[in-house]
Amino acid sequence: DVLMTQTPVSLPVSLGGQVSISCRSSQSLVHSDGNTYLHWYLQKPGQSPQLLIYRVSNRFSGVPDRFSGSGSGTDFTLKISRVEPEDLGVYYCLQSTHFPYTFGAGTKLELK
Amino acid sequence: EVQLVESGGGLVQPGRSLKLSCVASGFTFNNYWMTWIRQAPGKGLEWVASITNTGGSTYYPDSVKGRFTISRDNAKSTLYLQMNSLRSEDTATYYCTRDRKIYYYSRGYFDYWGQGVMVTVSS
Repeated sequence: DVLMTQTPVSLPVSLGGQVSISCRSSQSLVHSDGNTYLHWYLQKPGQSPQLLIYRVSNRFSGVPDRFSGSGSGTDFTLKISRVEPEDLGVYYCLQSTHFPYTFGAGTKLELK
Repeated sequence: EVQLVESGGGLVQPGRSLKLSCVASGFTFNNYWMTWIRQAPGKGLEWVASITNTGGSTYYPDSVKGRFTISRDNAKSTLYLQMNSLRSEDTATYYCTRDRKIYYYSRGYFDYWGQGVMVTVSS
């Protein structure tokens, strides 16, 4: 199975600040069709996960442009600028290039 | 508005069975693959099962293969998860998700999630 390693585990932030979350995979996420199936989710406290970014860098409908995704191969980053209170929660990366699909263990974004 | 509403969870003894349901609305159900994802209490997310839009093919990780069966009734816009031989490690919140594809057999991502249903396996 592809191991997804997210760092850091916990990320203290000040409102209005900027943060980056790293997600590294144990093997390349480039599919034989040429696409890279790496996605990012946010789970707010007491809620279901919600899609933020799909296929590395595409923002899902309604996601503010404060969120951006980048990376390639095995190394990916989610950046959040001008952090707002509604951004707090646990962020997960997901790879769906290889079966079984696997998630990172999560990064908790919390106030300093 | 896309809505996914799960039901059927509860407390069940180890070795017994349980069937979850997910009623979909707000989109053409038979156009989409569907997937179940679970989350153990205080833990991360785990892919459980996926099914093609016709129900003709299904996919599972080794952790549930042979014990869980995903199915669907397109006439009722309903997704199911039959869980047999349940174990304590199956205790989790189970989420129904819509599986979005670029093309039919491309890999997908889960763009809409239900509110989840809790399954507790304990004697």
